[in-house]
Amino acid sequence: KAGVTQTPRYLIKTRGQQVTLSCSPISGHRSVSWYQQTPGQGLQFLFEYFSETQRNKGNFPGRFSGRQFSNSRSEMNVSTLELGDSALYLCASSSGLADYNEQFFGPGTRLTVL
Amino acid sequence: QKEVEQDPGPLSVPEGAIVSLNCTYSNSAFQYFMWYRQYSRKGPELLMYTYSSGNKEDGRFTAQVDKSSKYISLFIRDSQPSDSATYLCAMSGMAGGNKLTFGGGTRVLVKP
Repeated sequence: KAGVTQTPRYLIKTRGQQVTLSCSPISGHRSVSWYQQTPGQGLQFLFEYFSETQRNKGNFPGRFSGRQFSNSRSEMNVSTLELGDSALYLCASSSGLADYNEQFFGPGTRLTVL
Repeated sequence: QKEVEQDPGPLSVPEGAIVSLNCTYSNSAFQYFMWYRQYSRKGPELLMYTYSSGNKEDGRFTAQVDKSSKYISLFIRDSQPSDSATYLCAMSGMAGGNKLTFGGGTRVLVKP
């Protein structure tokens, strides 16, 4: 069973640009969650999508947005990039059907903002 | 103050020693408690999951949850160099869906 895949793995952008990251969940999983990992703040929840609808949202500004497609693949977009957006962006997939669902993480996309 | 506090380490132990990791938290709504292991340049992988208070054992790993003290622990027995990684505690509530709140992670180094 293939794991969670994220593309691209590495990305370099400049301030003010926008970026789109992609996540393909494990086959059959309907939930995709996105997290930001930085040395200073650790792993922080961005949002979760389940069956194409945003189900949960963390405390990030509106520059961070996402969507999910009918095949459960998800994209995350960051507009007007800031230096502080440099981070490892992780997505995690799960079935999303129970109160607790084991989340399987992808390898992440490392974003550097110059 | 963060909802979940975790000593960042690094924690250096000799091979074969017991590794003891812990987290404290402030949100009494947390019901599900997890420990993840993250190797360099990899995503976190789930090690242990516990619902509410109690102990759980899986091979060399033991997880403990004390909700009355808002304190969780992970013990690794007979540690191996391959256990060298960052260990993250994570928690979620009944209504939180898949929203996980993580501790900052503890870097562990097991020396041969």
